[in-house]
Amino acid sequence: GQSLEQPSEVTAVEGAIVQINCTYQTSGFYGLSWYQQHDGGAPTFLSYNALDGLEETGRFSSFLSRSDSYGYLLLQELQMKDSASYFCAVRSSTGANNLFFGTGTRLTVIP
Amino acid sequence: DAGVIQSPRHEVTEMGQEVTLRCKPISGHDYLFWYRQTMMRGLELLIYFNNNVPIDDSGMPEDRFSAKMPNASFSTLKIQPSEPRDSAVYFCASLADSYNEQFFGPGTRLTVL
Repeated sequence: GQSLEQPSEVTAVEGAIVQINCTYQTSGFYGLSWYQQHDGGAPTFLSYNALDGLEETGRFSSFLSRSDSYGYLLLQELQMKDSASYFCAVRSSTGANNLFFGTGTRLTVIP
Repeated sequence: DAGVIQSPRHEVTEMGQEVTLRCKPISGHDYLFWYRQTMMRGLELLIYFNNNVPIDDSGMPEDRFSAKMPNASFSTLKIQPSEPRDSAVYFCASLADSYNEQFFGPGTRLTVL
């Protein structure tokens, strides 16, 4: 089967840096995605990592270590609008183009 | 493109009634996914299609749920009969082949009384 673990809640101060970790168990791993979801909204794509290393997109970066079955999302220069839920999701050979989502991390940014 | 379109946005119905949710994927996308989101179970994949063909329906909770994709621009998810435990937000998403970003629709919030 597949499983993902990520913290349920994280709180951070505006302007700070926060890291949201994700560990996974799956067979036939292809890659790890991150999605953001604001309350009442739909998930929106942030990043996808298939290879080890860090991918940077503006204030957001995502890291993957395939050997450790681990990844993280790094948010820098936090803004109040970054308050949302963040989901990691694995893509694996059990369903080549579908995603298995984690339970999400609710990030609260405080002034 | 207007993105993934879902209708209705909200649906309130009584137990035992039939519910039909609709989705129009982004034009040119080869894959269509139906998800259900609840506080208890998170975001669950129900079924997905590739080129209008159902590929994996192992997430469909039971026979009361059915999904169709009669053409590349339209899909339905039907629940018959509906039960209170079906109350959730149902998302449709589409994906272009060889890409990694799923585009989600705004969702349908279903309440079964």
